[in-house]
Amino acid sequence: QKEVEQNSGPLSVPEGAIASLNCTYSDRGSQSFFWYRQYSGKSPELIMFIYSNGDKEDGRFTAQLNKASQYVSLLIRDSQPSDSATYLCAGGGSQGNLIFGKGTKLSVKP
Amino acid sequence: DVKVTQSSRYLVKRTGEKVFLECVQDMDHENMFWYRQDPGLGLRLIYFSYDVKMKEKGDIPEGYSVSREKKERFSLILESASTNQTSMYLCASSFSGNTEAFFGQGTRLTVV
Repeated sequence: QKEVEQNSGPLSVPEGAIASLNCTYSDRGSQSFFWYRQYSGKSPELIMFIYSNGDKEDGRFTAQLNKASQYVSLLIRDSQPSDSATYLCAGGGSQGNLIFGKGTKLSVKP
Repeated sequence: DVKVTQSSRYLVKRTGEKVFLECVQDMDHENMFWYRQDPGLGLRLIYFSYDVKMKEKGDIPEGYSVSREKKERFSLILESASTNQTSMYLCASSFSGNTEAFFGQGTRLTVV
């Protein structure tokens, strides 16, 4: 069974701090990875994707991929209360579907 | 902007009813997906389709069927609704494998 694992949290950080979200995956064939943010009662929305080893930055968000360690992370700099949400990590499956982790709940305290 | 539209935001159905959940996407995406999301269980794939009239079982297909007669439309069918199918149902589409999926707004289904 191909899986994507995330710490369910909750992860609590103070406003202005760096939030670090982590994800591991079991399918070595996965080529692409995605981070989604999901507010309570809403559907997931894509915030970052990464295909290559290394870092990818977009504003306050940095995604990191290490294929050798089968590890993906998301850093959120200068965390804001509006970043409080559940963050879902997903990897591309061999059948063309995305395999999702169960999500990490982030709480940013003012 | 990609738009994935689900036919209902909230539904209440009775046990044993046949339930249809409709999903339409407007970006000519090849792949379409149906997930259900329950607290503590995350997103679980029910069925997906990579072409018209094609379908593949996901992780939890039991009690569900799907139909894709046109590229833009993917329907989820609960043949005989049961209370354990009370859940949030999310439709998604993507251009191809290994590309990002875009989600509809979700349908919260309650079976009583």
